[in-house]
Amino acid sequence: NAGVMQNPRHLVRRRGQEARLRCSPMKGHSHVYWYRQLPEEGLKFMVYLQKENIIDESGMPKERFSAEFPKEGPSILRIQQVVRGDSAAYFCASSPEPSGETQYFGPGTRLLVL
Amino acid sequence: DAKTTQPPSMDCAEGRAANLPCNHSTISGNEYVYWYRQIHSQGPQYIIHGLKNNETNEMASLIITEDRKSSTLILPHATLRDTAVYYCIVPPSFNDYKLSFGAGTTVTVRA
Repeated sequence: NAGVMQNPRHLVRRRGQEARLRCSPMKGHSHVYWYRQLPEEGLKFMVYLQKENIIDESGMPKERFSAEFPKEGPSILRIQQVVRGDSAAYFCASSPEPSGETQYFGPGTRLLVL
Repeated sequence: DAKTTQPPSMDCAEGRAANLPCNHSTISGNEYVYWYRQIHSQGPQYIIHGLKNNETNEMASLIITEDRKSSTLILPHATLRDTAVYYCIVPPSFNDYKLSFGAGTTVTVRA
């Protein structure tokens, strides 16, 4: 059973460009979570999605950030008009039900904004 | 969220037990204590969680004090592969999927 997959693993963007981060959950998992880890900090919750629904986006910045989890395909975290402060590691986790004990994390996408 | 306090770092000899403390004095009666770890450049990994009773699994043991204001994660026989940052997390009970990772404890296992 393949684990949570994220791509790309590394992404370099210039200020003002768009960044698209993809997450494929584990097979059988319908709950997806995105976290951000700024340099030298712990991971912070951003958003929780189920298929075609955003359940909790309380940790997501109000502007430039959006997330989706379509019926088919991976979950996408989209950052528009990136700024240097968006440079971070973005982790996706999935679980078979909404809980803290069964979240399986992917390897992360490291975004660098020049 | 209940705030947690952990020592920033600790060393442990390979093969010995590693005891990682965590204070969570503001925890409420129905909030769980979770432990995760993050090995360098990888995503976090779930270790164990508990409410009030001591818990044990194949990775570790969790000892929670009777007043629930603190807990200790025990790695019974630390190996070099256990070198990681260990996070003690108390998410809000009403949506315990919302994990919030603080600075954690950087554990270095030495040969």
